[in-house]
Order: sequence, then structure tokens, then C-alpha cells
Amino acid sequence: DAKTTQPTSMDCAEGRAANLPCNHSTISGNEYVYWYRQIHSQGPQYIIHGLKNNETNEMASLIITEDRKSSTLILPHATLRDTAVYYCIVRVLQAAGNKLTFGGGTRVLVKP
Amino acid sequence: DAGITQSPRHKVTETGTPVTLRCHQTENHRYMYWYRQDPGHGLRLIHYSYGVKDTDKGEVSDGYSVSRSKTEDFLLTLESATSSQTSVYFCAISEGLAGDEQYFGPGTRLTVT
Repeated sequence: DAKTTQPTSMDCAEGRAANLPCNHSTISGNEYVYWYRQIHSQGPQYIIHGLKNNETNEMASLIITEDRKSSTLILPHATLRDTAVYYCIVRVLQAAGNKLTFGGGTRVLVKP
Repeated sequence: DAGITQSPRHKVTETGTPVTLRCHQTENHRYMYWYRQDPGHGLRLIHYSYGVKDTDKGEVSDGYSVSRSKTEDFLLTLESATSSQTSVYFCAISEGLAGDEQYFGPGTRLTVT
């Protein structure tokens, strides 16, 4: 699976959009971009995933560049409860199991 | 939230003792996973199961064994606990379809003294 690079930490203001970048310059054509987050002391939580088209769900939007070498997770209206570590994961879409490899992630602090 | 429970939630044990952690799901998902999380290492896969009695190793399986005799239960056993196995252990489940997301349990904090 391709390696990802994320900023170690970032702050954002409550009510504003939070834009979390992820670089995955060695991504292959059959690899998807996944985002998970982990709120303190809880298990990781799935947010969104995509291949090359932009994706949106009730939690967030995922913007993937045309060359697929980077992506941005957008939390449209950050709340204090969005304070967490956010993980960008790139992996092959495989039928037999979905083993995830978590890197360091971005520690996001939402401030009032 | 996905119906996943882990027990115990906290445990302190001594080096050399056997320990079994339990993961229980009510979602009838095919795949179940055990991860450990340590500072500086993120989450690392220990073992996973793709069906009753069907299991496979992850990247850090040494010192651990697993069993799955029912769809809903996945047990992780430390035959002889060591201090290096002090960690937070997370169970996860997924339907096993290509690309589907994993749902994680609340975690078990294990301390080996």
C-alpha cells in the first residue's frame, strides 16, 4: 500500500471549515484513499473513502486531485467534538479482508 | 454505532500469566480484526478472521493466538503475557465486501507488570 504524509497537527476554529491535507504521491491506479479519525480514548471511526472522484457524505467531503497524488478531507463546519487524530490511508480495494495500516495521522484541535 | 463490545475494558496482569480478550459483535459481519495501538506506532494488525474457524496473521502476531468458534465472538489470547504486550487493543469488524469500512470497538487497555 502507498505511503501517506500528513501534517502532525493543526488547529481550526469552531464553526469554520477544516481542511486536512494528505500526500500520497506513490499511489497506484487501483488504490483508494480512506479517512478515519480517532477521538481520544475511543476506537477509530470511518469517515469517507474514494478513488478519483470527489466524495461527500454526512460527515465530510473528500477532494482528490486529478493526478491522485494528494487529497483533502473537508469538515464543513467543525465542532469541538471533531477534535481528534485524523488518519489518511491509501490501500488496494481487495475482496479478501480489509487490513488497514495506520500512520501517524494529523492531530486536529478545534478551538472555540 | 456498530454493535461491538470488548471485554474486559481494563486489565492489569503479571508477566507470564495467560490473558484472553474478547470481542463480541451483533452485526453478523464476516470479518473480525484485532489491532494493538502503542505510542509512536499507530494501530498495527495482530490477527484477523474471515469466518468461523478461519483466521490469519497480521504484522505483529508473535506471542498472540486467536480463535473464532462463533460468528459473533473473536478471542485474542496472550499465552504468556510480557511487558511488551502492554497496549490498548482494539477489535474491528467489517462485512468483508471489497472496500467496505471497518467498525471499531471501544478498546481494552492491558497492562502487564
